[in-house]
Amino acid sequence: AQSVTQLGSHVSVSEGALVLLRCNYSSSVPPYLFWYVQYPNQGLQLLLKYTSAATLVKGINGFEAEFKKSETSFHLTKPSAHMSDAAEYFCAVSEGGYSTLTFGKGTMLLVSP
Amino acid sequence: DAGVIQSPRHEVTEMGQEVTLRCKPISGHNSLFWYRQTMMRGLELLIYFNNNVPIDDSGMPEDRFSAKMPNASFSTLKIQPSEPRDSAVYFCASTLKGLLLDTQYFGPGTRLTVL
Repeated sequence: AQSVTQLGSHVSVSEGALVLLRCNYSSSVPPYLFWYVQYPNQGLQLLLKYTSAATLVKGINGFEAEFKKSETSFHLTKPSAHMSDAAEYFCAVSEGGYSTLTFGKGTMLLVSP
Repeated sequence: DAGVIQSPRHEVTEMGQEVTLRCKPISGHNSLFWYRQTMMRGLELLIYFNNNVPIDDSGMPEDRFSAKMPNASFSTLKIQPSEPRDSAVYFCASTLKGLLLDTQYFGPGTRLTVL
């Protein structure tokens, strides 16, 4: 069965600092991996997705994630945080692309001036 | 495009009452998903439809929950009777091609409170 673990329910950074949100997955077949962002009182929006092509995936708003099979990880990074990045971020997995998405519990990103 | 539309945005009801949540997917999208989000359990898939047909309803918690998609532009999620533990934010999402890897476009959600 597929599953996702997001380490840290809350991450705090200063504006301009590196953002690192951690995601580890479990999948019995090659996974497809996604990061979604949820702003307050809104639905989720896709940031980026990995579908077995390049292991380094670039998304919107300057975010990127790297698929590391040996570590079963798909961590999300951004070199320099902006105040507007404050939101909740969800990692999700689909086994081989043939199953519906399983989401992690989410990580709330807090950005201070 | 208007995006996925959900109504109502907020619903407060008393235990035992029937609740109906509504969703209008993006025009032309072939798949529709209903999710429930709570602090304890996170985001859970309840059911999804492809071309108006329910494909996987294994996430529906119990018989009190039912979902329909009578046409390509409308879906409902009904809870009867409602219970306090049903309090959550319910999201509807749709995808263009009906593939599970397609980007899911989420509505703003309905915040349900059952007293």
